[in-house]
Amino acid sequence: AQSVTQLGSHVSVSEGALVLLRCNYSSSVPPYLFWYVQYPNQGLQLLLKYTTGATLVKGINGFEAEFKKSETSFHLTKPSAHMSDAAEYFCAVSLFSAGANNLFFGTGTRLTVIP
Amino acid sequence: EPEVTQTPSHQVTQMGQEVILRCVPISNHLYFYWYRQILGQKVEFLVSFYNNEISEKSEIFDDQFSVERPDGSNFTLKIRSTKLEDSAMYFCASTGQRMNTEAFFGQGTRLTVV
Repeated sequence: AQSVTQLGSHVSVSEGALVLLRCNYSSSVPPYLFWYVQYPNQGLQLLLKYTTGATLVKGINGFEAEFKKSETSFHLTKPSAHMSDAAEYFCAVSLFSAGANNLFFGTGTRLTVIP
Repeated sequence: EPEVTQTPSHQVTQMGQEVILRCVPISNHLYFYWYRQILGQKVEFLVSFYNNEISEKSEIFDDQFSVERPDGSNFTLKIRSTKLEDSAMYFCASTGQRMNTEAFFGQGTRLTVV
């Protein structure tokens, strides 16, 4: 069985500071890993995903995540937070595909950016 | 930019009533999904749909739930007899010509059962 744990339901950072959102997963086989973002009153938008190959994955809006198999982690980072980054972020895992079939999501982390 | 559209944004229904949540996926997409998020809990997979039939469903998707693509553009989720615990945000998603392509999610329908 697979599962996802996001540490910290709320994270606050100052504008310009490093953003670090944590995600750990458990999976019996090599997983597909995803980060989604949800802005207020909008749907889930794919930030980035790991399927195979390079473990450092770059996404939209300056975000990146690194797949660390030994730590079963896929933490999301951004060097410098912007006010527009304030949103809810969801980590997700799938054993089956790189699309949207049977995704297991974490509980989400709400990011607040302080001016 | 193409987007997945869900209506209504918020629906209130009485316990025991039938409800239909509507989604218009991106027009050339072939794979369709429903997810839900109970307040404060995880986003959970309900069902995937391809070629006019369910391809996969979770334990949550019991006989009270059904999905349909009635007219080639809409994708609906029906709950036959709603329960209080069905109150949640329901998300529709679609992917393109292949299942492994990026999923696009709608903005969600908040269902409140009273």
